[in-house]
Amino acid sequence: SQTIHQWPATLVQPVGSPLSLECTVEGTSNPNLYWYRQAAGRGLQLLFYSVGIGQISSEVPQNLSASRPQDRQFILSSKKLLLSDSGFYLCAWSRQGRSNQPQHFGDGTRLSIL
Amino acid sequence: QKEVEQNSGPLSVPEGAIASLNCTYSDRGSQSFFWYRQYSGKSPELIMFIYSNGDKEDGRFTAQLNKASQYVSLLIRDSQPSDSATYLCAVNRDSGTYKYIFGTGTRLKVLA
Repeated sequence: SQTIHQWPATLVQPVGSPLSLECTVEGTSNPNLYWYRQAAGRGLQLLFYSVGIGQISSEVPQNLSASRPQDRQFILSSKKLLLSDSGFYLCAWSRQGRSNQPQHFGDGTRLSIL
Repeated sequence: QKEVEQNSGPLSVPEGAIASLNCTYSDRGSQSFFWYRQYSGKSPELIMFIYSNGDKEDGRFTAQLNKASQYVSLLIRDSQPSDSATYLCAVNRDSGTYKYIFGTGTRLKVLA
């Protein structure tokens, strides 16, 4: 069966510090991978998605970036965090090749910026 | 108009009753529809997905889709206190786009 791992679970960072969140998927090959952010009381905002190694699509222009160095690894980064980057960050995967497949989420990272 | 709209709730139902959660969407090209359950502080968990008009049943859950009226609903039969959570509706165009649009969710409270 497929599993998705996301870490860390919680993170407290000062404004202006860098960020690296990692997500890995097991049990499937060439998944579609996604990064979402969920602010309190709001829906899920798609940040990035990837359909293959090195292929990243950005949905929202901001100070975040994503990379996919390996087939089942997806990384969310920032060089300098802003207060507005606080939120619940979720990684998700879906089966490769079809855009109508359900997404499955990791446990999420709760990021607080001080 | 929001792309995917849900009543934020809370929707309160007594234990054992049927809970009915509704979702409307604005893009007539939407083809795939998903329901997720999200407990407070946790990540969304897939409950059901539906692609065709009509009903789809899975245990106590039934998803209903009406593309002509652009709504999708989730019925929960024999509601339990453990069903208390926020339910998220998501839609996708299924035309090569990988952008799933999520509603903000409906909070359900099942009263014991």
